[in-house]
Amino acid sequence: GQNIDQPTEMTATEGAIVQINCTYQTSGFNGLFWYQQHAGEAPTFLSYNVLDGLEEKGRFSSFLSRSKGYSYLLLKELQMKDSASYLCAVPRGGSYIPTFGRGTSLIVHP
Amino acid sequence: GAGVSQSPSNKVTEKGKDVELRCDPISGHTALYWYRQSLGQGLEFLIYFQGNSAPDKSGLPSDRFSAERTGGSVSTLTIQRTQQEDSAVYLCASSLVFGGGETQYFGPGTRLLVL
Repeated sequence: GQNIDQPTEMTATEGAIVQINCTYQTSGFNGLFWYQQHAGEAPTFLSYNVLDGLEEKGRFSSFLSRSKGYSYLLLKELQMKDSASYLCAVPRGGSYIPTFGRGTSLIVHP
Repeated sequence: GAGVSQSPSNKVTEKGKDVELRCDPISGHTALYWYRQSLGQGLEFLIYFQGNSAPDKSGLPSDRFSAERTGGSVSTLTIQRTQQEDSAVYLCASSLVFGGGETQYFGPGTRLLVL
């Protein structure tokens, strides 16, 4: 089966750093995705991790530990426009169909 | 270039009616996916296509749901005898191929409300 856990909501201050955690359980691992979804809009791709370690992409970085079933998304120099839901997704074991977590709603305030 | 498009953007229907939702994937993308998202919920996988075939229909909630894809392009999701619990945003996504690490590009969704 598939089990993905992430916090429901987080708040942070503009200019700060925030870390959004995701833990997962899967019978087979085919990588982990992070998507961003603004209210009323479609999800957009942020990152894909298949190997352990940190991958940096501008203000956003994503970390993966396969042995711990753990990932985090790190957002630096937060901007108001970063207020959105952040979805962690893990393909089901033995397939490439991502199973999505419920998402973490990030609220960035001045 | 054009992204994934879906129509209609909003649909209000009465319980018991049939509805048809359409998805136009990015040109050249061979894989196409349907999800639905209820208020405050995560994305629920419904079905995917590789070309015109649907190898995995396990996510369809009931036999009232069906989908097809023709010409390796446009896909339609049909819900027969709609129920109020079918109310959700139906999202379509496409990827260049079906495989690990392939980025899915999502359409804007169809917001379905069943009265």
